[in-house]
Amino acid sequence: NAGVTQTPKFQVLKTGQSMTLQCAQDMNHNSMYWYRQDPGMGLRLIYYSASEGTTDKGEVPNGYNVSRLNKREFSLRLESAAPSQTSVYFCASTLDRAQETQYFGPGTRLLVL
Amino acid sequence: SQKIEQNSEALNIQEGKTATLTCNYTNYSPAYLQWYRQDPGRGPVFLLLIRENEKEKRKERLKVTFDTTLKQSLFHITASQPADSATYLCALDVGSNYQLIWGAGTKLIIKP
Repeated sequence: NAGVTQTPKFQVLKTGQSMTLQCAQDMNHNSMYWYRQDPGMGLRLIYYSASEGTTDKGEVPNGYNVSRLNKREFSLRLESAAPSQTSVYFCASTLDRAQETQYFGPGTRLLVL
Repeated sequence: SQKIEQNSEALNIQEGKTATLTCNYTNYSPAYLQWYRQDPGRGPVFLLLIRENEKEKRKERLKVTFDTTLKQSLFHITASQPADSATYLCALDVGSNYQLIWGAGTKLIIKP
């Protein structure tokens, strides 16, 4: 039982490049989330998926797209990376709602030059 | 808009003492408040959830209080140990089933 896994752990991109961050959970959770964490700021929700087949925007969705591939997997795509997207990205999951215990992955550290 | 504040400065506590962290919020009346622990280079880990009708909640050496009048939650670690050193985050329910508002966290350092 690995919980929530994320790949890659670290990535360096040049401005304008694209990449996809992968997330998977093995807890049979319905809801999954993508957050970014920046110094001095709280976690900010980028997108979430309440259930398989649905996705919705969070607080800071601009510049990102997501795919809920199946119940286990939720990916985050940066189509054209910008330096402002330099951050640490966390994927999380809950059985159903955000108010329940959130289980986080180890994070992806992204540097955009 | 909702605002949530945690001490931005690190909190230094002597081993064995009680550490108290604060989480203040404005412009909202959350039904739930959660506390998480985050170690360097890792994702947050859930510690405790307290509901608006619960004044206090305990788990081993941890205690959380929730004062909806003061719009404040206090997080206590008694008999603190160096292993308790981490950043502690609070998160508020904001009436959405899928969104929480997160504080920036307080870094706690327990000195031996």
